[in-house]
Amino acid sequence: QQQVKQSPQSLIVQKGGISIINCAYENTAFDYFPWYQQFPGKGPALLIAIRPDVSEKKEGRFTISFNKSAKQFSLHIMDSQPGDSATYFCAASMLNNNDMRFGAGTRLTVKP
Amino acid sequence: DAGITQSPRHKVTETGTPVTLRCHQTENHRYMYWYRQDPGHGLRLIHYSYGVKDTDKGEVSDGYSVSRSKTEDFLLTLESATSSQTSVYFCAISDPGQGQSGYTFGSGTRLTVV
Repeated sequence: QQQVKQSPQSLIVQKGGISIINCAYENTAFDYFPWYQQFPGKGPALLIAIRPDVSEKKEGRFTISFNKSAKQFSLHIMDSQPGDSATYFCAASMLNNNDMRFGAGTRLTVKP
Repeated sequence: DAGITQSPRHKVTETGTPVTLRCHQTENHRYMYWYRQDPGHGLRLIHYSYGVKDTDKGEVSDGYSVSRSKTEDFLLTLESATSSQTSVYFCAISDPGQGQSGYTFGSGTRLTVV
């Protein structure tokens, strides 16, 4: 059973555009929601994370929006650049972190 | 990836043979994890460890075993490799007790079972 559902599977955006990736979770006990970025041949790297006590977190061009009542959260990449082309994974876990559940991933392509 | 090393990076093995993958960390993090990555499935947890000799199963643990005899090393063993275990395997570390809730991943091991 997939506890974190991610969409879309793939996304193509023009340079300078906004990339939006969505995730939904089922387990209301989750209280830590990170996003990871993965380049080919590399392991995923933590990009940004949010806890459910805030509705939005911004770091540079990357923003997480969080809707606790809908059990949804999304990643927005502003002014998307070709260097942002990668696979993005959302995830969710409880604070003790023993079993982080990942979405299936979104392959983002930013065209120059 | 700084602080976490996986070996080997690539391996081809025959069905039915045992295989051991190694994860080594220099961060002194308490938790270590083994994930497999397959298209359409994202990352799925195989086993994890919360201390030396303390391990537990993840969601896809069948056919795998792990051992952690030292803080820095976490071994994943495929007892009798099958073609369905062809995958990319990632090790990760974390230490929420030290404010490191996010995972740091290794660079992965691409395993092909023929």
